[in-house]
Amino acid sequence: QVQLQESGPGLVKPSQTLSLTCTVSGVSISSGGYYWSWIRLHPGKGLEWIGYISYSGNTYYNPSLKSRVTISLDTSKNQFSLRLSSVTAADSAVYYCAREGAVTTRFFDYWGQGTLVTVSS
Amino acid sequence: DIQMTQSPSSLSASVGDRVTISCRASQSISNSLNWYQQKPGKAPNLLIDAASSLQSAVPSRFSGSGSGTDFTLTISSLQPEDFATYYCQQSYSPPRTFGQGTRVEIK
Repeated sequence: QVQLQESGPGLVKPSQTLSLTCTVSGVSISSGGYYWSWIRLHPGKGLEWIGYISYSGNTYYNPSLKSRVTISLDTSKNQFSLRLSSVTAADSAVYYCAREGAVTTRFFDYWGQGTLVTVSS
Repeated sequence: DIQMTQSPSSLSASVGDRVTISCRASQSISNSLNWYQQKPGKAPNLLIDAASSLQSAVPSRFSGSGSGTDFTLTISSLQPEDFATYYCQQSYSPPRTFGQGTRVEIK
């Protein structure tokens, strides 16, 4: 059973860096065949894809966030992480980690339960 | 980026109604279109991939159609558990993009 679980601070001050970790169980993130993504849901708005990292460490970021985003892998802990710098109130959202197939199964089939991050002083 | 536009943004319907949600891509995406259902406080749940392929645990009252730029999600007979927000998402090319969502409410 594949499971994903987000963790990290629920409150971040403006201009600081948001850091979240997704712990994956039931599958090895280094086994290949998948992209590991971060997606967020703004209050009252829709879903925004932030970016992904492959099993080999290749990344692709949403151009709208690219200058502030870093996604990394820790294969020893079966985790991947998100860092978003210089946050503002507009970055307040529920953040999800999710798995996407890299070849034929190009959809998000497993998601974490989401973690609310509020940017406020 | 490929822009995804859903319509309507919200609708009110009764149990038993047939509901149709539209999704349009800003360029052709072949059949690289997925549909998700999201309920409050929960993560999105995949309903349909590749425009029309129903996930195994999803009731058959859900169906998807379309290719190129125009796609449709249909719920043939709305059930109480179907009241939620629905999103389309293109997987044709990165960055992945979602429609703005369609909220289905009880009439």
